[in-house]
Amino acid sequence: SSELTQDPAVSVALGQTVRITCQGDSLRSYYASWYQQKPGQAPVLVIYGKNNRPSGIPDRFSGSSSGNTASLTITGAQAEDEADYYCNSRDSSGNHLRYVFGTGTKVTVL
Amino acid sequence: QVQLQESGPGLVKPSETLSLTCTVSGGSISSYYWSWIRQPPGKGLEWIGYIYYSGSTNYNPSLKSRVTISVDTSKNQFSLKLSSVTAADTAVYYCARDRRVPAMYYYYMDVWGKGTTVTVSS
Repeated sequence: SSELTQDPAVSVALGQTVRITCQGDSLRSYYASWYQQKPGQAPVLVIYGKNNRPSGIPDRFSGSSSGNTASLTITGAQAEDEADYYCNSRDSSGNHLRYVFGTGTKVTVL
Repeated sequence: QVQLQESGPGLVKPSETLSLTCTVSGGSISSYYWSWIRQPPGKGLEWIGYIYYSGSTNYNPSLKSRVTISVDTSKNQFSLKLSSVTAADTAVYYCARDRRVPAMYYYYMDVWGKGTTVTVSS
């Protein structure tokens, strides 16, 4: 099955911009979805598809994709954005629909 | 607004079967796909499998031999069974609504339960 690789950790100064990347072969075929997870809480969908935000997600979150890499950008990071972020995609290997999650990126807001 | 709630034993003995149920409220289980995901302590998310409301399923190949997911539309619930558990199955287990727009190559999970912690220990 496919794998999705993320940087383990990134930091960003308050109010600045941070980009989180996710790499994997499946991203050549399918868009990634992105999830924010704060300690002790369930993941929350923040971006899906080409660049779609669910209701209630601030517009400082945006997504993009190129080749085998998907990116989540937080423009003007806030203290409440400090969390783990996971990408997810349909697995492109095999005929059956399966999912794979990225390894996760811990975002620290300084 | 659709809400999901996981329920089941918090402690399971090694070699036994883990059984969890996800109850869907605020909406119908029909016409959607539903997934189970787990997260071992301090680790990342792992997709376990999904079920369509009609009963069709698909599982993570790494767990396929031990996993069964079923649905009860009359109760608006779907369930997970994981057999022959070991300490490696200790995790927070989440259920989620699985959305797809195949024509647009979109696949995502838009509603999640709060999760339930399952510990495998004698």
